[in-house]
Parts: sequence; structure tokens; C-alpha cells
Amino acid sequence: GAVVSQHPSRVICKSGTSVKIECRSLDFQATTMFWYRQFPKQSLMLMATSNEGSKATYEQGVEKDKFLINHASLTLSTLTVTSAHPEDSSFYICSAPGPQGALHGYTFGSGTRLTVV
Amino acid sequence: AQSVTQLDSQVPVFEEAPVELRCNYSSSVSVYLFWYVQYPNQGLQLLLKYLSGSTLVKGINGFEAEFNKSQTSFHLRKPSVHISDTAEYFCAVLNQAGTALIFGKGTTLSVSS
Repeated sequence: GAVVSQHPSRVICKSGTSVKIECRSLDFQATTMFWYRQFPKQSLMLMATSNEGSKATYEQGVEKDKFLINHASLTLSTLTVTSAHPEDSSFYICSAPGPQGALHGYTFGSGTRLTVV
Repeated sequence: AQSVTQLDSQVPVFEEAPVELRCNYSSSVSVYLFWYVQYPNQGLQLLLKYLSGSTLVKGINGFEAEFNKSQTSFHLRKPSVHISDTAEYFCAVLNQAGTALIFGKGTTLSVSS
């Protein structure tokens, strides 16, 4: 089945530094990828939609300059948390519609646990 | 705008007991509903989905859900749970544009022996 590989699975960084999270669709092309953020014991909040070859679409309240999204190819989307602060600590998950389209379900990456110290 | 409400934040059950996780949706247009499961520190895995047709949908791991338009519900059920079913379960609806999933707050299912 369709697989989305997300790296790293866990990262600890110092406050003020930047962290890049990668999501790759391994056996299908993903023209669109979604980035979610999940706080402990809470649901997934959609942050942004990345589109291959064009600018990402951000949800209301999400800082574009802080969460940089790049969709460089049909199989790779990256989320860079710039100048990270402790409040950015969270679980970040990417997803993409499967090869059969959105109605048939989305494939999720395994998530990245970001801890900013 | 579409939304889903998961009525129970936590559901503790004993092994081999039946379980129902409740989900209600709000939508004024055609609705496409999903249930996902999340194990600790992992991404989400699709359990089942309702797109159209039969209102009783069967998914993986013995789970099933029933789409009820009159009650705007899409409850998830399993007749006999296992310890390994302990996880977080999310109900989701496809947004109006058909471009992204909107998730409920999740229900923690805890199965004990």
C-alpha cells in the first residue's frame, strides 16, 4: 500500500535553532501533502497544505514565517520550524491522499516528536 | 463548515467486551467519514471509511461503523476487543472542498484484562 516516510521520528533542539522535518511518499506521487500538529491528548490540527510547485496554503493562525513548508518534488515535502521555542514542542504529522485519491483515505507519516529545550 | 464531535474522551473496557466509540458529524452537504487509529508515538492508520452506499461499513481489525444520516452519527463498534486495541481513535470528515480531513478530538480506548 501507499507509504509516507517521515523523518526524523524524534528530535530535541535548543531554543532559537531551526528544525527540518521531511515527508516522502515512497511508492506514489503526492502533489499535495498536509501538515498537522498534535498536542498531548488532543486532536490533530491542520497547519498547512503543501502543493508541489506552488506556495503552501496555511490555516488561520499559523505563522508562515515560522513554519516554512517546501514541496520540492512530487515525493518530498518539508516542514522547517524556524527559531524554535519551547511552545513549538509538539508532535508533527504529515499526510497525503493515497494514489486512489482523497476519498479513499489519506496515508500518514509516523510523526515527529519535537522537543525544544 | 463540517465538523465532528467525539462524545467520549476516554473509554475503558475489559478484554473481550464489546465497545462503541461515538462520533457525530455536522455537515450540510454530502459527507465522507473516516475512522483512524493512532498507537503511541505513531502516525494514523485508516480503520474504515464511509463514502456512499451501504451504511454499515466494515474495516480492519474487526471494527465496523454505521452511518446514520438521521442521527448524523458514525459510531465505531467492535464486538470483542483485545488488549492490542488500546489506542487513540479519531473520527474525521473530509472538508467541503474535498482537500483535507477534519478530525474530532479523539477517544482513548483502554482495554484491560
